[in-house]
Amino acid sequence: DAGVIQSPRHEVTEMGQEVTLRCKPISGHNSLFWYRQTMMRGLELLIYFNNNVPIDDSGMPEDRFSAKMPNASFSTLKIQPSEPRDSAVYFCASTYRRPGTGGIGNEKLFFGSGTQLSVL
Amino acid sequence: DQQVKQNSPSLSVQEGRISILNCDYTNSMFDYFLWYKKYPAEGPTFLISISSIKDKNEDGRFTVFLNKSAKHLSLHIVPSQPGDSAVYFCAASPYGGATNKLIFGTGTLLAVQP
Repeated sequence: DAGVIQSPRHEVTEMGQEVTLRCKPISGHNSLFWYRQTMMRGLELLIYFNNNVPIDDSGMPEDRFSAKMPNASFSTLKIQPSEPRDSAVYFCASTYRRPGTGGIGNEKLFFGSGTQLSVL
Repeated sequence: DQQVKQNSPSLSVQEGRISILNCDYTNSMFDYFLWYKKYPAEGPTFLISISSIKDKNEDGRFTVFLNKSAKHLSLHIVPSQPGDSAVYFCAASPYGGATNKLIFGTGTLLAVQP
């Protein structure tokens, strides 16, 4: 059973360049999350989607960050222009949220292997 | 300000001994707590959880203890095995574990020495 698939695994780019990270959630999951891991702040939620609709993007650090989910099986996180302080590991995660629960419940997150981003 | 704190960035334990990983939180509204385990080059995976109505939850070699008055929880691994070497993240939620409200700590790297 395929888990959450992220690509690329590693991305090295120069400051000012556009970066696009990709995620394929587990089939049947209806909630998708983008996290960023840094040493100082641990895992931070950037944005999450329910049924392909962005629900909360309050964790997106700046307008340089944007995320889309055009369908249930694909999401992108884009950084334009990228800066050295964006260097981190970016994780995508998915879960199944029962309709009508309002997001209250102990749904377990399933994480991808992450994208290691280095902006020089 | 970090609402979930893991003050020990690393911990080294001998195989067979007990590993104790600690986590403190500041938000009294948190009522559900989780531990995730992360191996290098992999994403975190769910390990064990506890609701605020309990003070202990056990799953095999893993036990999580919750002290609400101290706003402290700990993960005990007994006996520790080399395969337990990983980064452990503590997480908390104010809404019964709602995944969109999970706040993670910075992680503790556990090294179990053979």
